Amino acid sequence: GAVVSQHPSRVICKSGTSVKIECRSLDFQATTMFWYRQFPKQSLMLMATSNEGSKATYEQGVEKDKFLINHASLTLSTLTVTSAHPEDSSFYICSARDLAKTYNEQFFGPGTRLTVL
Amino acid sequence: AQSVAQPEDQVNVAEGNPLTVKCTYSVSGNPYLFWYVQYPNRGLQFLLKYITGDNLVKGSYGFEAEFNKSQTSFHLKKPSALVSDSALYFCAVRPPGAAGNKLTFGGGTRVLVKP
Repeated sequence: GAVVSQHPSRVICKSGTSVKIECRSLDFQATTMFWYRQFPKQSLMLMATSNEGSKATYEQGVEKDKFLINHASLTLSTLTVTSAHPEDSSFYICSARDLAKTYNEQFFGPGTRLTVL
Repeated sequence: AQSVAQPEDQVNVAEGNPLTVKCTYSVSGNPYLFWYVQYPNRGLQFLLKYITGDNLVKGSYGFEAEFNKSQTSFHLKKPSALVSDSALYFCAVRPPGAAGNKLTFGGGTRVLVKP
């Protein structure tokens, strides 16, 4: 149980285009999902907290108009990188919080590698 | 503010030898502590957590960790390392309570187990 999927696993796009990444909790309901960014050989940096049915909460320094987050259902959150540029190339990982689990554990998706040419 | 430190960027160990990955933390109150492992181009896999109770926590794949409140440490250990344990390991902390849902990660420690 507690499986989180991400789609796509890898995407290459041209500079200036927008890319949407999906994060799904497959076997549990997640009122909260988290989006992280990871640069090569670095730790995960929290970008935003996505709450079902409400606006996402962004961490300091993260542009909300560039990284659009939608959490329309209890099993799906999407991250859209708008007008992507090469510096947005990174590994994006989502996690979902399982309300049914004691202490609200987070479960992580497999990640999406974004390359902007 | 909460923080996590993993003082070693890389740990090298021979297969069959004990493995230790260090983690120290700073958080208000009693922390929730986690260890995750990441293989190349993959997401994080949960290894173990400390919430309360016994200071020695046993987790997946033969790993364990000891919570030491006085030293604010939560070192990850495995008695006998395998080549397949080679990966990137992250320690994470979260303050307790509903308001403390955010995980803060350490910088990660790369483990290389040599045959």
